[in-house]
Amino acid sequence: AQTIHQWPVAEIKAVGSPLSLGCTIKGKSSPNLYWYWQATGGTLQQLFYSITVGQVESVVQLNLSASRPKDDQFILSTEKLLLSHSGFYLCAWSSNWGGAGEQYFGPGTRLTVL
Amino acid sequence: GDSVTQTEGLVTLTKGLPVMLNCTYQTTYSPFLFWYVQHLNEAPKLLLKSSTDNKRTEHQGFYATLHKSSSSFHLQKSSVQLSDSALYFCAYDSGYNKLTFGKGTVLLVSP
Repeated sequence: AQTIHQWPVAEIKAVGSPLSLGCTIKGKSSPNLYWYWQATGGTLQQLFYSITVGQVESVVQLNLSASRPKDDQFILSTEKLLLSHSGFYLCAWSSNWGGAGEQYFGPGTRLTVL
Repeated sequence: GDSVTQTEGLVTLTKGLPVMLNCTYQTTYSPFLFWYVQHLNEAPKLLLKSSTDNKRTEHQGFYATLHKSSSSFHLQKSSVQLSDSALYFCAYDSGYNKLTFGKGTVLLVSP
């Protein structure tokens, strides 16, 4: 069975500080990986996706960047946090073949920027 | 452009009553449709999926039928429970590795 782990569980950071969030998936070879952002009670906004190691596509510009250094790892980062970066960050995966395009989410990281 | 429209905001019901959460979509594709459920402080979980016209799909007491003629995929349950209180998202696979989500509907079930 596939498992998806995100770290850290929660972060409180100062405006202007750097950030790095991580996501690891086990039990699935060559998954498609995604980053989402969610405001409290809000919809899910896709930020990035990656279909292979070293390749990341940006969906929206929010002064964030993403990288996929390994097949099972996806990193979200920024050098300078803004207040608007506060929210719930979710990593998700989908199969790279077959399936209906459904995505499965990790437990998320709650970020508070002060 | 492509979009998903859901029942707006908050739906409040008493335990045991039926519920229907509306979802309509606009897309040029022939999409897969999904319902996700997100309980408080948890990640969204896949509840239902379908791409077959006029076929009912069911899971955990919830059901939905994709009607391509009306571009709808409404979520229903015949008798809601307290544990059904959550945020519900309708979404479709718009291709190019993208799921398009609706704004979400909060279902609040009271005793």
